[in-house]
Amino acid sequence: GDSVTQMEGPVTLSEEAFLTINCTYTATGYPSLFWYVQYPGEGLQLLLKATKADDKGSNKGFEATYRKETTSFHLEKGSVQVSDSAVYFCALNAGGTSYGKLTFGQGTILTVHP
Amino acid sequence: NAGVMQNPRHLVRRRGQEARLRCSPMKGHSHVYWYRQLPEEGLKFMVYLQKENIIDESGMPKERFSAEFPKEGPSILRIQQVVRGDSAAYFCASSPSNTDTQYFGPGTRLTVL
Repeated sequence: GDSVTQMEGPVTLSEEAFLTINCTYTATGYPSLFWYVQYPGEGLQLLLKATKADDKGSNKGFEATYRKETTSFHLEKGSVQVSDSAVYFCALNAGGTSYGKLTFGQGTILTVHP
Repeated sequence: NAGVMQNPRHLVRRRGQEARLRCSPMKGHSHVYWYRQLPEEGLKFMVYLQKENIIDESGMPKERFSAEFPKEGPSILRIQQVVRGDSAAYFCASSPSNTDTQYFGPGTRLTVL
């Protein structure tokens, strides 16, 4: 079945450090890929997405590139801020008969210190 | 344009009671999805509904759980005879079609005593 695997956390960084959160997936067909962010006590907000191979999603300084050959969608940011502290979820929509259903990774907790 | 609305935000029930969780999708969205987030875990898909129809309920427990999305009014996730293991955050999402981005509500945090 479809699945998403994220690097285990928590991840702790100092402000202005470089961030990478790894995400790999297993899916039949050609899924769409997403990164969502969840701040404490809130729901999920879409951070960025990519719908086909080699697409790069970007938003608020975050980037991720859809790599079909390595089935990966790693999240990166060049310089993190304290306000980026949150839980980050990688997800896929496999399409086909699974249209509408998002499959999530387990989430990665990011803490950024001043 | 208001976002996805869920109520209540927090719900406390005793074992054996019923829990009713409501979700109002964004304006113009006719597709609704329910997910459950257990403590320290990611979100798990439960059910996907379109107006008056259940499209995919492959993630719903076979007993005690039901969902509806009537022609008028919010979508309802109903849990009968709650048990402690039902304690979780329940998130609703909506989209204008099944291929579009899903937008999430703030969630309902259910605590079963």
